[in-house]
Amino acid sequence: GNSVTQMEGPVTLSEEAFLTINCTYTATGYPSLFWYVQYPGEGLQLLLKATKADDKGSNKGFEATYRKETTSFHLEKGSVQVSDSAVYFCALSNAGSQGNLIFGKGTKLSVKP
Amino acid sequence: GAVVSQHPSWVICKSGTSVKIECRSLDFQATTMFWYRQFPKQSLMLMATSNEGSKATYEQGVEKDKFLINHASLTLSTLTVTSAHPEDSSFYICSARGLDGNTIYFGEGSWLTVV
Repeated sequence: GNSVTQMEGPVTLSEEAFLTINCTYTATGYPSLFWYVQYPGEGLQLLLKATKADDKGSNKGFEATYRKETTSFHLEKGSVQVSDSAVYFCALSNAGSQGNLIFGKGTKLSVKP
Repeated sequence: GAVVSQHPSWVICKSGTSVKIECRSLDFQATTMFWYRQFPKQSLMLMATSNEGSKATYEQGVEKDKFLINHASLTLSTLTVTSAHPEDSSFYICSARGLDGNTIYFGEGSWLTVV
């Protein structure tokens, strides 16, 4: 079945450090891939997405590239800020699933000043 | 952009009582809404898919008689937790599929505590 595996957290970084959060997936067909962010006390927000192989999603300095050959969608940011502290969820949506999302377990990121 | 509103944000109820959570799409009509549950330090797990005007489709292991889902209009879906127990305490979040058929918009979520 479809599944998403992302790196365990928590991840603690200093401000301006480079961030990578790994995400790999298992799916039939050609899913769309997403990164969602959950700030403390808030609901989920879509951060970025990619709908086909080699697509790069980007937003707020974050990037992720849909790699079909490695079934990966790693999240990266060149210089994190304290305000990036949140829980990040990798997710996939398969066209045959009415659009419901399958989430990874989430990775908590803490950025220290 | 499209907005999904969820209410209440926080609710505390006594064991054995029922509690209703509303999910509204504010500026678009959502034929399909999804209900998720998130336990502490766990991922979001899909509970059910709600289609307007028809019965919800529940995921395996989710009791349909305990978690009643109603999607009576194109802008409102409700989740009622019946005879709540402390183990039902969780973060419940809804989402709605946007007009493009691909974009999913999430509500703010509802924290339920059963005492």
